[in-house]
Amino acid sequence: NAGVTQTPKFQVLKTGQSMTLQCAQDMNHNSMYWYRQDPGMGLRLIYYSASEGTTDKGEVPNGYNVSRLNKREFSLRLESAAPSQTSVYFCASSDSQGVNYEQYFGPGTRLTVT
Amino acid sequence: QKEVEQNSGPLSVPEGAIASLNCTYSDRGSQSFFWYRQYSGKSPELIMSIYSNGDKEDGRFTAQLNKASQYVSLLIRDSQPSDSATYLCAVGGGSYIPTFGRGTSLIVHP
Repeated sequence: NAGVTQTPKFQVLKTGQSMTLQCAQDMNHNSMYWYRQDPGMGLRLIYYSASEGTTDKGEVPNGYNVSRLNKREFSLRLESAAPSQTSVYFCASSDSQGVNYEQYFGPGTRLTVT
Repeated sequence: QKEVEQNSGPLSVPEGAIASLNCTYSDRGSQSFFWYRQYSGKSPELIMSIYSNGDKEDGRFTAQLNKASQYVSLLIRDSQPSDSATYLCAVGGGSYIPTFGRGTSLIVHP
């Protein structure tokens, strides 16, 4: 039982390049989330998927797209990377039954855009 | 705008003492309250969740919720240097999206 896994762990991109961050969970959770974390800014929600087949914007969606591929997988795509997207990206999942949405986080992807 | 406020710290306590971490929130309709621990360079890890007023204990950790005053706290008894981390408070309302505070840095010194 691996929980939430993310690939890659580290990535360096040049401005304008694209990439996809992968996330998978094996807990049969309904909801999945993408956050970014910057020093002094806390966790900020980029996109989330309440259930398979749905996705919604979070607080900071500009410059990103997502795909909920199936119940297990939720990917985040940067179409044209910018230095402002240098950050640590976390994927999370939760069961989301009633008021219980305890979130379980992946190990993170450390992205640098030069 | 739902807000969750935490003192950024650092909160410094001696080994063996009780560490008290506090969090206030703005949305009176909030129903779910979570504490996460985040070690430097690592991802957040859920340590406590609480849904009703009062105390909830789990080992050395106690979460306290007071909905009337809109605050939730985390007490860590017999603090150890390994408890040194940033503690994130998260508050959930009727959606699947909890709101996170920016975290309190805790330092437990020997």
